[in-house]
Amino acid sequence: DADVTQTPRNRITKTGKRIMLECSQTKGHDRMYWYRQDPGLGLRLIYYSFDVKDINKGEISDGYSVSRQAQAKFSLSLESAIPNQTALYFCATSQIGGPDTDTQYFGPGTRLTVL
Amino acid sequence: AQSVTQLGSHVSVSEGALVLLRCNYSSSVPPYLFWYVQYPNQGLQLLLKYTSAATLVKGINGFEAEFKKSETSFHLTKPSAHMSDAAEYFCAVSDSVSYGKLTFGQGTILTVHP
Repeated sequence: DADVTQTPRNRITKTGKRIMLECSQTKGHDRMYWYRQDPGLGLRLIYYSFDVKDINKGEISDGYSVSRQAQAKFSLSLESAIPNQTALYFCATSQIGGPDTDTQYFGPGTRLTVL
Repeated sequence: AQSVTQLGSHVSVSEGALVLLRCNYSSSVPPYLFWYVQYPNQGLQLLLKYTSAATLVKGINGFEAEFKKSETSFHLTKPSAHMSDAAEYFCAVSDSVSYGKLTFGQGTILTVHP
């Protein structure tokens, strides 16, 4: 079973709709991240959480919100989706300490299309 | 804040040829540098990680990268390309101020011709 899972894998929605993307992990990591990927732009950080009570904005947080329901779950919401939020979204996890410090492990991604 | 530049958004090589993907980081030495690979319709997978223990880092699938402080570079190489290496490759650096955050380059798509 995958260590980092994302649901749904694909979603098509309409402008103005509220959308939630979910991420779960079984790695036991405290830190979780949401990125969006656009062609030619690499990955850009939307939000990150270093533990359940610590949530921080990334470089492109406008139009997004997150919820860290538990150590293992981190959800991304688009309150009112717009077409330029069409992208591939990735969740990632990491831990601090040991040889794996700062290494991020990624989910398979959610392809979101906003019409 | 750290920044990362990957030179060449597309690189094309023949099967069996040398693969060289370029990555330069901003002037301050980051704690860690990474190369990730993304195969079609998949998430990112760690290829290798530099931790200052050694300047030449060996990764999976025959890839390696050399950290050169004087050139602020961390280029990825593989002596002989295989068709299965076709993918997008991302260089990333960790943030020395806010540990845990990574800054990614724009990505380089590697195409391997028979």
